[in-house]
Amino acid sequence: DTAVSQTPKYLVTQMGNDKSIKCEQNLGHDTMYWYKQDSKKFLKIMFSYNNKELIINETVPNRFSPKSPDKAHLNLHINSLELGDSAVYFCASTQSGTVFRPTNEKLFFGSGTQLSVL
Amino acid sequence: KQEVTQIPAALSVPEGENLVLNCSFTDSAIYNLQWFRQDPGKGLTSLLLIQSSQREQTSGRLNASLDKSSGRSTLYIAASQPGDSATYLCAVRRDTGGFKTIFGAGTRLFVKA
Repeated sequence: DTAVSQTPKYLVTQMGNDKSIKCEQNLGHDTMYWYKQDSKKFLKIMFSYNNKELIINETVPNRFSPKSPDKAHLNLHINSLELGDSAVYFCASTQSGTVFRPTNEKLFFGSGTQLSVL
Repeated sequence: KQEVTQIPAALSVPEGENLVLNCSFTDSAIYNLQWFRQDPGKGLTSLLLIQSSQREQTSGRLNASLDKSSGRSTLYIAASQPGDSATYLCAVRRDTGGFKTIFGAGTRLFVKA
């Protein structure tokens, strides 16, 4: 019954490994995001997908590859993990509408995935 | 480039006090502004959303105001309680051209019993 759910909640892995984080929303929203929260608790946007289309791609290493198989899912795959990738990754969703008919809906967040790279 | 700043970074108050958290943004071309609450080890919960055409929103003991022209928003918490202890984040959504929501660094609030 959770609105935005992401798995796993905790991920501990070795440097150089490849890992994925999954996110699903059951709110019928058209836009999903990945945010990274660093050790100073600052939230920085990484990617945004609107109706499965990549809308925002911030300055993120290309080791990070998002994939949206459908509007309700946005997964994040990370190749060759580095120590600096350790952070909490949050998935979020909202109903954005379109540029011509935008909507004013709140942003809903998942509970986060704490990634620790050793 | 939109930048969002929150002052103070941390705040400790005794229970029952009324308090104000501040948020400022550099680009006034925003579509909406949201205030969120984050508890330790948890995700973010949206508290209030103010559309760019609105001046304020209220929910229970919370009141958020928006002055778009000056690039400022405040979150007023009345009669604070220990359960209000959390980090409060302000976030602005860009006006057209995308769906980017930019966050401030947050204000950590501690309400002492």
